[in-house]
Amino acid sequence: ILNVEQSPQSLHVQEGDSTNFTCSFPSSNFYALHWYRWETAKSPEALFVMTLNGDEKKKGRISATLNTKEGYSYLYIKGSQPEDSATYLCAFGPNNNDMRFGAGTRLTVKP
Amino acid sequence: EPEVTQTPSHQVTQMGQEVILRCVPISNHLYFYWYRQILGQKVEFLVSFYNNEISEKSEIFDDQFSVERPDGSNFTLKIRSTKLEDSAMYFCASQDPDSHQPQHFGDGTRLSIL
Repeated sequence: ILNVEQSPQSLHVQEGDSTNFTCSFPSSNFYALHWYRWETAKSPEALFVMTLNGDEKKKGRISATLNTKEGYSYLYIKGSQPEDSATYLCAFGPNNNDMRFGAGTRLTVKP
Repeated sequence: EPEVTQTPSHQVTQMGQEVILRCVPISNHLYFYWYRQILGQKVEFLVSFYNNEISEKSEIFDDQFSVERPDGSNFTLKIRSTKLEDSAMYFCASQDPDSHQPQHFGDGTRLSIL
């Protein structure tokens, strides 16, 4: 069973705060880890595809790191804005055809 | 930008009936997926499809479910003998054939079983 855990389940921060959350996955048979941003009433939108141990990816104020040996990835948001409010999903796969999603971290940024 | 489209956006069906959920993936993509999200729960992988056959399927994807790509553009999920617990959002996704590309999701079909 591919167990992908995300923590915390939900997070409330003030505008301007920086925040981070975690995705944990089995450390054996790693192929890729995806991060998606999912706003209510929309479809998940890809943020990052991470493939190599030590990968660091950045898009604007959002960045992510990957440790495949210990089985975790962190997503960081610097200077959170209300428009960052969404559920952040990670998906882990031992191969390209079998990506399993975590339950997500629901982020609320208060103005 | 090319999109994954799903129809219908909302399907209401009587328990025991069969439903077909339709997806049009992005045209040059070769990997296709179905996921579901029961209200308040996490996104669950159902099945992946490549080269006209199922690549992987989860424990959820039993004999009640089937997928096909009937005409080279549509990718369908059929649910037979629907049950109340099949009520969920069903998302289709497609993926570029190059390795290590993200999946692109449709907006989902909300399935309500009465």
